Amino acid sequence: EIVLTQSPATLSLSPGDRATLSCGASQSVSSGNLAWYQQKPGLAPRLLIYDASSRATGVPDRFSGSGSGTDFTLTISRLEPEDFAVYYCQQYGSSPPLTFGGGTKVEI
Amino acid sequence: QVQLVQSGAEVKKPGSSVKVSCTASGDTFNNFAISWVRRAPGQGLEWMGEFIPMLGTTKYAQKFQGRVTFIADDATSTAFMVLISLRSDDTAVYYCARGLRFFDIWGQGTMVTVSS
Repeated sequence: EIVLTQSPATLSLSPGDRATLSCGASQSVSSGNLAWYQQKPGLAPRLLIYDASSRATGVPDRFSGSGSGTDFTLTISRLEPEDFAVYYCQQYGSSPPLTFGGGTKVEI
Repeated sequence: QVQLVQSGAEVKKPGSSVKVSCTASGDTFNNFAISWVRRAPGQGLEWMGEFIPMLGTTKYAQKFQGRVTFIADDATSTAFMVLISLRSDDTAVYYCARGLRFFDIWGQGTMVTVSS
């Protein structure tokens, strides 16, 4: 099972700041099979990025994903008020099981 | 536009079972796969397994083997997740989601509380 470790656990920033979220894998994630999700309180997760760097439909271009192997990054270029949420990475290169990281909370 | 609508919140006793439904609209049910993910209070997301209605095939996370079953009713485009022998640590929000690898459409979630 691939274990995903996200850092930092909490990121305290202000609107307009750049956010850099990291996701490290215990083994190489084949073919960049990694996704990122955003979750707000009381709502279901929302797919942001798949295949490490492809934006899902309707996702603003201030969100970008990069990385390969064991190190992946989600960057939010300029934080908007609606971006304050919890972000999860998820690998699907080695299944079962699909695994999620523990999450990074982006707070004001 | 595909939507997944789940059943309402449940309160269950330890040792009992729960059945959560997930109804698809906007697309033919057999055109996609359904995965189940849960989030316990204060915890992260946890994949439970996947179900391909067209093939009738399932794959369960080892942690839930023997306790979880995925089934479907093609006539109503509804998938079900049945979890038996409930324990307090099964208290969580349970989600259905479209996809086998990553998940682009999610149900709204069903809160299951296990308490004596």
